[in-house]
Amino acid sequence: NAGVTQTPKFRVLKTGQSMTLLCAQDMNHEYMYWYRQDPGMGLRLIHYSVGEGTTAKGEVPDGYNVSRLKKQNFLLGLESAAPSQTSVYFCASSYPGNQPQHFGDGTRLSIL
Amino acid sequence: SQQGEEDPQALSIQEGENATMNCSYKTSINNLQWYRQNSGRGLVHLILIRSNEREKHSGRLRVTLDTSKKSSSLLITASRAADTASYFCATDAASNYQLIWGAGTKLIIKP
Repeated sequence: NAGVTQTPKFRVLKTGQSMTLLCAQDMNHEYMYWYRQDPGMGLRLIHYSVGEGTTAKGEVPDGYNVSRLKKQNFLLGLESAAPSQTSVYFCASSYPGNQPQHFGDGTRLSIL
Repeated sequence: SQQGEEDPQALSIQEGENATMNCSYKTSINNLQWYRQNSGRGLVHLILIRSNEREKHSGRLRVTLDTSKKSSSLLITASRAADTASYFCATDAASNYQLIWGAGTKLIIKP
């Protein structure tokens, strides 16, 4: 009964490095989301997916790419990390139609 | 852009007291949701209230929605130390695919 699992939990990168954040859900949800959370702000949507093989841009997509090759997995990539991407990243999943979202515990990413 | 704005930004009360948080939004919605976030953890869904509902209860939680004022409130009765967390409202005004989140209310329950 894992729900939404994010890996890694913590990561420190140097400017210009690349990495992929992994998200897996076991609830058979169609929709999946990647958010970033910065101090004093609400969640901001980076990218989302409404089904396997589909992705779309959210509010702050620049500098990120995503893939949803399997229904249960949603990957977030940073091709060339920048200090402005230092944040806590959350993955979530839900049934269609703005139903309650289920969140992972986040990935804390620092870019030096 | 932020649709929901919570008020107050921070709230500190004694254990056993009631806590009330408010959320205002700008455009028409189909539903409004409240979430809780404990320190260092992901968000947890609390309640979803639809635009045609005025009040909803779940245990010690009571949510009201006033669509004419574009506002919602979350009441936690008989607060406990375990209620210490940040609380966020989210609305679905943007589309069927996205929720718009407020910046949250940080609630501290003092023992």
